[in-house]
Formats: sequence, C-alpha cells, structure tokens
Amino acid sequence: KNEVEQSPQNLTAQEGEFITINCSYSVGISALHWLQQHPGGGIVSLFMLSSGKKKHGRLIATINIQEKHSSLHITASHPRDSAVYICAVSANRDDKIIFGKGTRLHILP
Amino acid sequence: DAGVTQSPTHLIKTRGQQVTLRCSPKSGHDTVSWYQQALGQGPQFIFQYYEEEERQRGNFPDRFSGHQFPNYSSELNVNALLLGDSALYLCASSLGGVGGIETQYFGPGTRLLVL
Repeated sequence: KNEVEQSPQNLTAQEGEFITINCSYSVGISALHWLQQHPGGGIVSLFMLSSGKKKHGRLIATINIQEKHSSLHITASHPRDSAVYICAVSANRDDKIIFGKGTRLHILP
Repeated sequence: DAGVTQSPTHLIKTRGQQVTLRCSPKSGHDTVSWYQQALGQGPQFIFQYYEEEERQRGNFPDRFSGHQFPNYSSELNVNALLLGDSALYLCASSLGGVGGIETQYFGPGTRLLVL
C-alpha cells in the first residue's frame, strides 16, 4: 500500500463545477504539499500545510492531522485548471518527500 | 531571468547504455534536486546537491550518480540502463540547501526512453 494515496486518479468535469481532490497518508508528517503539474513536466507548489486550511484565489486546501487526510478544492473550475495535481508529504522519520501518484483533472469548456 | 533549464528534452537509449542529463538552476539558486517520475506515477526523489556535494539521497541504486559544478549546474548520470529507467527526470533548484519542496523551482524535465 502506498504511503500517500490520492483519489480520484482521473477526474473530468464541466467548467464552473466545484472540484475536490483527496489525499490520505499513513506516515507521520511535518507538512503536506499540494503541487500542480502541467503537460511538459513543470511542477508548481500550490500549498504547504501543517494544519487547518489555506486559500489562494479559487483554490482551497484543508488538512485533518488526526484523520491523516487532506483535500484540495477548486471553486468555479476553468479549463486552464486542467493539470495533474499531486499530493506530497514531508515524512517525519527522515524528512524525505513522499509523493502521491497524482490526480489528472480535465475541465471541459 | 531564466528559470530552471534541462537538456536534452527527450532521449532514447538502449538497455545497458549510459546516459547523462543536465540541469541549470534558476539564477541565484545553489541547490539542485533530481526526481524520477515514471508514467502515471508521482515523482520520486533521487538526490540533492548543495556545495558540490550529495547531501540527501532517495532509494535509488548506485547506478544513479550525480555531480554539481562550481556554477551550481548539475548532471545526473545513469549507468547500465534498464527498461524500468524510462521516465521523466525532473530537476528542481532552490537556495541554501534548506527548505522543502515548496521552495523548489522545477524544470520541464527530460523524458528518457530505454528500449
């Protein structure tokens, strides 16, 4: 079983829909990261969380440390949000980064 | 201000060959990390270079080695290529050898195909 699990693996939605991507992890962490990867490979850090909730524009990230679960929400989704969204954790045991497999999001116009 | 650049963009090799991938960090950055991303998978950390030394290493065999030059650019070398080495190789740069992935700037990657 992977130490970081994301769901769904793939998601197709219509423009304007509210999007939720989930991440569960099984290790002790110092932080959780949400990353965005566009075609061509480039990765951008969206959020780093250690507790609570963060908001940036139409993106909201939440984390429940007790449940070992995080969600990334996109409000009023747009075709330019189409990308792979990756959850990653900084593991307490060795400070290394463990990545999820990513969620491929496709927003239709 | 150039961001992180990687070369080549694509590469095809055969099993048993050796390959060298190159990375130039973002201007002002002195730390380079390398990641391997297989198709449909998340990235996996290979190693990080700071002050021309390997500071951290992931679970990769010794076939994977690297180097950092005085100008902070870096190379990733893979010997005795296996089919399973086919992946997107991502380079990320940051400053000061500290900080997590949130401080890293990623390059576009080199896509390696081993036949």
